[in-house]
Amino acid sequence: GEDVEQSLFLSVREGDSSVINCTYTDSSSTYLYWYKQEPGAGLQLLTYIFSNMDMKQDQRLTVLLNKKDKHLSLRIADTQTGDSAIYFCADPPRGNNRLAFGKGNQVVVIP
Amino acid sequence: KAGVTQTPRYLIKTRGQQVTLSCSPISGHRSVSWYQQTPGQGLQFLFEYFSETQRNKGNFPGRFSGRQFSNSRSEMNVSTLELGDSALYLCASSLDAGGSYEQYFGPGTRLTVT
Repeated sequence: GEDVEQSLFLSVREGDSSVINCTYTDSSSTYLYWYKQEPGAGLQLLTYIFSNMDMKQDQRLTVLLNKKDKHLSLRIADTQTGDSAIYFCADPPRGNNRLAFGKGNQVVVIP
Repeated sequence: KAGVTQTPRYLIKTRGQQVTLSCSPISGHRSVSWYQQTPGQGLQFLFEYFSETQRNKGNFPGRFSGRQFSNSRSEMNVSTLELGDSALYLCASSLDAGGSYEQYFGPGTRLTVT
C-alpha cells in the first residue's frame, strides 16, 4: 500500500525542539522525504534520508528512520517562528516519482 | 537556477468549463509530476511525465489529462469542471538520474470552480 500517516498538530515554544512523526507502509522505498509548506505556498524540499541510513543531520534538522517499524521522524532544533508551517513526509512507493504524502503536521511556533 | 514555475497562479472557472494549467520545470529536469491538494483529501498524485510520455498515473477520472513538450514543459487539462475540482494544483520536477527522485515543487495554481 501507499499509506503514510502523520499526526496533525504540534505547538512549540520558540527555541525548543519539535519532533514530527510519520509512519509509512511501503518497505521498498529508496528515499524518504520531508517537505515544508508555508501558507499559500508550494512544497519546499527540506531534507531526505536514504533507506539504508538510520539518521541524517542537516543543520537544525535531524531525520531518524526506523525501517523495522516503518517510522520516520523529523526533529527541528531551536525552533524559530519561521518554522511555523505544515510538514509532510513523503514516500515514493516502488522507488519511482509518484510520491505518497501523509496528511501533514501543522507546527505552530509560539514566540 | 530558476525554480519550478506555474501559470496562472489563480483561476476561477464555472462548472462545465475546461481549464489548462502550465508548468515549467527546473532547467535540465526531465520528469514533471502533478498533484492535487485539497483540505479533505490532502496531496494526491495525478500523473507524471518523462520525455513526453506519461510514465505514472494516479486514480483520477479521464477528465484529468496532461502532456509534456520536448522542452519538458508540461500542461494539465481538466475538462467538464466540477465543484470538487477546486484545489491547489502543484507541479513538481525531478532530475530523475542516478536513483535520485528529489522532487522540487512550484508555487501551485489555485483553481476555484463555482
